[in-house]
Amino acid sequence: DAGVTQSPTHLIKTRGQQVTLRCSPISGHKSVSWYQQVLGQGPQFIFQYYEKEERGRGNFPDRFSARQFPNYSSELNVNALLLGDSALYLCASSLGWGNNEQFFGPGTRLTVL
Amino acid sequence: QKEVEQNSGPLSVPEGAIASLNCTYSDRGSQSFFWYRQYSGKSPELIMFIYSNGDKEDGRFTAQLNKASQYVSLLIRDSQPSDSATYLCAVPSGGGADGLTFGKGTHLIIQP
Repeated sequence: DAGVTQSPTHLIKTRGQQVTLRCSPISGHKSVSWYQQVLGQGPQFIFQYYEKEERGRGNFPDRFSARQFPNYSSELNVNALLLGDSALYLCASSLGWGNNEQFFGPGTRLTVL
Repeated sequence: QKEVEQNSGPLSVPEGAIASLNCTYSDRGSQSFFWYRQYSGKSPELIMFIYSNGDKEDGRFTAQLNKASQYVSLLIRDSQPSDSATYLCAVPSGGGADGLTFGKGTHLIIQP
């Protein structure tokens, strides 16, 4: 079975630009969470979506937004990019609500110049 | 806000020995605990999870919970060079969401 997939693998943007990252969960999984991981740190929780609704949000500014589609795939959008947004963005899927066993995709490496 | 603390290491262990990794958590109400392994340049991989009702063994890995002292341990028996990685401890973030709060991770080096 295919695991969590993310696209693109790498991305280079300049300050002020906008970026969209994509994620497809494991087949049968209905929940998608997004994390940001900077070098030397553990992943930080950004959003969780379940059944197309936002179910949780971490301590990130409104420049970050996300959505989930009827097929449970998800997009993360970041507006007005800052240098500090450079990080590995990870998508994790889980079966459903109340199930914390999260499985990560390979991530998207975002570099902001 | 929930916090998870880990010693960043590096923790150096000879091949074949037992590697012991610890993490402490701030919320006494945490009910589940997760260990992820992350190789350099890769994404985290779930290797073990336990609930507050007991310890768990899976192959060479054992997760143990000490609720009184609010720490959870991961033991790796017969350590192999392929176990060299960063090990991340996580607890549910709470607040109605299923997101996880991670520690910074412990860098483990298995010396051949």
